[in-house]
Amino acid sequence: TQLLEQSPQFLSIQEGENLTVYCNSSSVFSSLQWYRQEPGEGPVLLVTVVTGGEVKKLKRLTFQFGDARKDSSLHITAAQPGDTGLYLCAGASAVSNYQLIWGAGTKLIIKP
Amino acid sequence: DTAVSQTPKYLVTQMGNDKSIKCEQNLGHDTMYWYKQDSKKFLKIMFSYNNKELIINETVPNRFSPKSPDKAHLNLHINSLELGDSAVYFCASSQDLGGEGETQYFGPGTRLLVL
Repeated sequence: TQLLEQSPQFLSIQEGENLTVYCNSSSVFSSLQWYRQEPGEGPVLLVTVVTGGEVKKLKRLTFQFGDARKDSSLHITAAQPGDTGLYLCAGASAVSNYQLIWGAGTKLIIKP
Repeated sequence: DTAVSQTPKYLVTQMGNDKSIKCEQNLGHDTMYWYKQDSKKFLKIMFSYNNKELIINETVPNRFSPKSPDKAHLNLHINSLELGDSAVYFCASSQDLGGEGETQYFGPGTRLLVL
């Protein structure tokens, strides 16, 4: 069974600080996605990474796919209150018939 | 324009009742999904339909029955509601089933509370 573990489960920091959240697995994934879910809404895709070692940037957010394609990280620089939300990673592979395997999420709160 | 819509947004009902949640997508996608998100925010796939055919049916009680009248709609009917069914139910769609990096588009969720 493929599993994705996210850490930390919960993070509360002050506006302006930097942070990194992680998505780890013992399985290899063909692609990995990060979604953000705001309170009262459904998850929205932020990025998809498909190549080992790939780094993608979305304004102050930097996403990295591990070289072995078993893990990923999301780094936020100078966090803003608008970054508050639940960050979910989801991976796909041929083993799961490309059905998305979801992590349990990191709940992030940025205090003004 | 709302890409994936669900009704109702809130549903409060008594144990033992039967209820339905409706979902529609106007993205022209072939695949639709139902997810359950529990109080710990864990998102769990329940069903997946591709071109109106059931593809994934995870281990959910048979009190839950999805129905897809056409590619744009996937409804969820729940019989004999139980306290443990209380959760947020999300509908989602994607262009195709699986495939590398397939984006899923989510509806706003239906918050079900069983009393």
